[in-house]
Amino acid sequence: QKEVEQDPGPLSVPEGAIVSLNCTYSNSAFQYFMWYRQYSRKGPELLMYTYSSGNKEDGRFTAQVDKSSKYISLFIRDSQPSDSATYLCAMSQGANAGGTSYGKLTFGQGTILTVHP
Amino acid sequence: DTGVSQDPRHKITKRGQNVTFRCDPISEHNRLYWYRQTLGQGPEFLTYFQNEAQLEKSRLLSDRFSAERPKGSFSTLEIQRTEQGDSAMYLCASSLGTPTYEQYFGPGTRLTVT
Repeated sequence: QKEVEQDPGPLSVPEGAIVSLNCTYSNSAFQYFMWYRQYSRKGPELLMYTYSSGNKEDGRFTAQVDKSSKYISLFIRDSQPSDSATYLCAMSQGANAGGTSYGKLTFGQGTILTVHP
Repeated sequence: DTGVSQDPRHKITKRGQNVTFRCDPISEHNRLYWYRQTLGQGPEFLTYFQNEAQLEKSRLLSDRFSAERPKGSFSTLEIQRTEQGDSAMYLCASSLGTPTYEQYFGPGTRLTVT
């Protein structure tokens, strides 16, 4: 079983719809949660970054983390055709006993989103 | 442009040849990471540096792979005796390290082994 599971989709929605993207994870040591957007044949672009449980909003995007359920979500309001991309969740542990932060990000498989006009 | 840059963007090589990729991080970032991404999958961690020290290596990084960051600035990733299974996108990312965990990715180097 993978540490991070993400439904690959594809997900197709009409312009203006609310989109919900989700990931589950198994490693309770994860403390930092990120969402990346990746266009075809490009590198991932950081969208949102959240520490521990709670919500974070940035424009049309809202990230939610529920550590008790090991479940994170990204909501996109008023979706646009330009939002069409692959969305990747990523997670990281905190610092070790010596205070050095872990470097590794563990990614989900990515969800392919298409927003059609 | 002050983002992460990678060179080359595309590389086609024959099986058995050696290849080397370069990554230039965002200038003030002390951490540099390498990931590999195959079609339809998320990036997989390979290794990372804090300044010039290589702090962690994945089990994915076989003996044919070596990474360096000699002066704590740019980094190179070399693959020796390439195999068809090495065909992938190789991504580089950088970050400021503690206390931030935000990593910023470059455009990637797409490797095709024929």
